[in-house]
Amino acid sequence: GEQVEQRPPHLSVREGDSAIIICTYTDSATAYFSWYKQEAGAGLQLLMSVLSNVDRKEEQGLTVLLNKKDKRLSLNLTAAHPGDSAVYFCAVRFYYNVLYFGSGTKLTVEP
Amino acid sequence: DPKIIQKPKYLVAVTGSEKILICEQYLGHNAMYWYRQSAKKPLEFMFSYSYQKLMDNQTASSRFQPQSSKKNHLDLQITALKPDDSATYFCASSQDTGLGYEQYFGPGTRLTVL
Repeated sequence: GEQVEQRPPHLSVREGDSAIIICTYTDSATAYFSWYKQEAGAGLQLLMSVLSNVDRKEEQGLTVLLNKKDKRLSLNLTAAHPGDSAVYFCAVRFYYNVLYFGSGTKLTVEP
Repeated sequence: DPKIIQKPKYLVAVTGSEKILICEQYLGHNAMYWYRQSAKKPLEFMFSYSYQKLMDNQTASSRFQPQSSKKNHLDLQITALKPDDSATYFCASSQDTGLGYEQYFGPGTRLTVL
């Protein structure tokens, strides 16, 4: 199956700084990429998704970059605030209905 | 109002017993899924259903059986429970299968097997 590596496992930034999370994947046929946020004790909230023909997408302070050559997906939270503190997961899909998740990044944004 | 309901939120079971995890979605979606999140592994896909038919099964054990009594229901029956089954089980749904259809997740059922 698809292998998805996510780093870093833990990330601590100060309020107003940027936070960058990176995922790499193995299957070049991967076609759909998503980022989810999981707050403590809660389910997964979908943040953003991109198709493989998109290199960059920005929405509400979030930037997703896709480098297909390097099989790398990144999430950049610009100007992070304490409410962004959560665990973030990347998920990739090459199989039409199966999401393969990274191991998660616990982001802490300190005031 | 929550659009994907999972019941119960917490569940404690003894080894060897059987439990059913409930999932209902009120998004009008045609596809539903189960994923598992344990301390040892990242979120893992288990099953997908579309129009109440099994589409994909990546769970090795037959102890896990999805049950779809209605289009917006996908329950998960787990028999002969083992401590290794302890995990948070997430239900998800999407409008349909195929690329471009987002999967939305419920709040999860945290199962502890003693």
